[in-house]
Amino acid sequence: DTAVSQTPKYLVTQMGNDKSIKCEQNLGHDTMYWYKQDSKKFLKIMFSYNNKELIINETVPNRFSPKSPDKAHLNLHINSLELGDSAVYFCASSNSGTGSSGNTIYFGEGSWLTVV
Amino acid sequence: QKEVEQDPGPLSVPEGAIVSLNCTYSNSAFQYFMWYRQYSRKGPELLMYTYSSGNKEDGRFTAQVDKSSKYISLFIRDSQPSDSATYLCAIGGSNYKLTFGKGTLLTVNP
Repeated sequence: DTAVSQTPKYLVTQMGNDKSIKCEQNLGHDTMYWYKQDSKKFLKIMFSYNNKELIINETVPNRFSPKSPDKAHLNLHINSLELGDSAVYFCASSNSGTGSSGNTIYFGEGSWLTVV
Repeated sequence: QKEVEQDPGPLSVPEGAIVSLNCTYSNSAFQYFMWYRQYSRKGPELLMYTYSSGNKEDGRFTAQVDKSSKYISLFIRDSQPSDSATYLCAIGGSNYKLTFGKGTLLTVNP
């Protein structure tokens, strides 16, 4: 039972192409995220959606566009890919409700994007 | 000053050693303190969660939070080769956003 699943796991593509990464969670959470992890392992938030509404939009080029068709899915579309976009992209989810677990975030396995 | 600073690695210890991993943070509004473990080519997995000062123990792992000093630690007792991974501290407030440390790569040698 995969809680947060994302596809594809590996993606190699040429500069200038447009690509999408899909994410689905079966945890019943109402909040989903995209994080980017660079080559130095630094994990940084890009976007977050709560019940399909964008709530966090960090300083990210507008070539990156998230879309949440429902609260169990959050996709990431990237236009005009650049060499610097090469990284691991992690989808994650959490519950916004209060409680002892706070906003504990659960991550997917990652999508390794290489732009050549 | 960065919001979250984590002791840089890498850290290499013999099997059975006690490991101490540390982070400091600058924003006193942070409420949630977590440790994630990330194996190579895998996603981060939640290891420990706490929201108050003091110690929280789970098996060989102890998370320690000192809000007055803005300092958090993770202790691993009787470390095993299977503990070899990158450990990330993560700190959050009420705004859905977790801020991560840069991670410490731990290697436990048999």
